[in-house]
Amino acid sequence: SAVISQKPSRDICQRGTSLTIQCQVDSQVTMMFWYRQQPGQSLTLIATANQGSEATYESGFVIDKFPISRPNLTFSTLTVSNMSPEDSSIYLCSAQRGSYNEQFFGPGTRLTVL
Amino acid sequence: KNEVEQSPQNLTAQEGEFITINCSYSVGISALHWLQQHPGGGIVSLFMLSSGKKKHGRLIATINIQEKHSSLHITASHPRDSAVYICAVNDMRFGAGTRLTVKP
Repeated sequence: SAVISQKPSRDICQRGTSLTIQCQVDSQVTMMFWYRQQPGQSLTLIATANQGSEATYESGFVIDKFPISRPNLTFSTLTVSNMSPEDSSIYLCSAQRGSYNEQFFGPGTRLTVL
Repeated sequence: KNEVEQSPQNLTAQEGEFITINCSYSVGISALHWLQQHPGGGIVSLFMLSSGKKKHGRLIATINIQEKHSSLHITASHPRDSAVYICAVNDMRFGAGTRLTVKP
């Protein structure tokens, strides 16, 4: 299996500011993903973090709002830019490895925007 | 209509009961995942299925590709099984989740 850590685990931010969330995997993985879970809602895929190239965003999510980096096969960051209270969510990183599509999840980052 | 439908939305059981959570999907899939989300938000991947049945401890997951349906069973349920159980397909299209509460 793979162990995924996220930093920070939680944060309270002021509107208009930006927060960068880090995701670290303890082994190389093929795919990394970022999800959002708004209060009372299911998980929604924000984007696929591609190593060495621009992330692939899902409908409704744009790079200017959620810039993503993936400099190598074990690390990715998600920035939530110009935050508003509607961005208050749990943000989850996950990673996929191998031809069997094993999926692993980070512990999540709980973001509250005031 | 969501691509992934789960039922029930909420489930309360007494300790020791046999639990079944259902997942139906409307798209062709390469794999189906069952996930467990604890109250703190952390998610654990329980199973990944592409056919048949898998068992891990008291948990059993089955999938019927023709009927586009999967079930997650918990035998001898315990209060520590209380969590949200989420079904996801392919590139992680998620169901809404089933909130399970097991009472002692």
